[in-house]
Amino acid sequence: QVQLQESGPGLVKPSQTLSLTCTVSGGSISSGSYYWSWIRQPAGKELEWIGRIYTSGRTNYNPSLNSRVTISVDTSKNQFSLKLSSVTAADTAVYYCARVNRQNDAFDIWGQGTMVTVSS
Amino acid sequence: DIQMTQSPSSLSASVGDRVTITCRASQSISSYLNWYHHKPGIAPKLLIYAASSLQSGVPSRFSGSGSGTDFTLTISSLQPEDFATYFCQQSYTIPFTFGPGTKVDIK
Repeated sequence: QVQLQESGPGLVKPSQTLSLTCTVSGGSISSGSYYWSWIRQPAGKELEWIGRIYTSGRTNYNPSLNSRVTISVDTSKNQFSLKLSSVTAADTAVYYCARVNRQNDAFDIWGQGTMVTVSS
Repeated sequence: DIQMTQSPSSLSASVGDRVTITCRASQSISSYLNWYHHKPGIAPKLLIYAASSLQSGVPSRFSGSGSGTDFTLTISSLQPEDFATYFCQQSYTIPFTFGPGTKVDIK
């Protein structure tokens, strides 16, 4: 049974870079049937799609964050990662990683989420 | 971006009730609509994909319908484990966008 687990600092200072890793267990990140995404949800607000990465390394990002986001994959560690630069308080949110089925772009497995607070 | 709205924003229901939640897209998304169930602190769970296809392992009391801009999630007989927030997501085009959620709680 595939599981995803987010990890990384829970507190980031303004203007710094937020870095999170998603570890995939119970299956290979290199499966051609899926790609991998990051999503976030600020308190009291809607879920926001951050971006996606295929195991080929191809990426797509939400234009609202495009200039600040980098998603990468490390197939040897069965992990993919998120970097968000120049963070502000508006980036405070629960961050989720998810597996996405390539046939229907449905997020079929999610991590439980990790809270990241941007504060000095 | 495609905007997703849901109604109602919350509802109170009893075990055994039939519950219907509506999701609307700001433009036609064909059948590219997915539904999820979420409880705090737990990973969200995919229930329905492509508007009406039941995800493997999901109980048959969940069903989805609709196409174009208007979609419905129905729970035929609410069970105790179904009290949660439900949200929709369009997979028609990136950036993928989500509805604001419908919270189902106990009457």
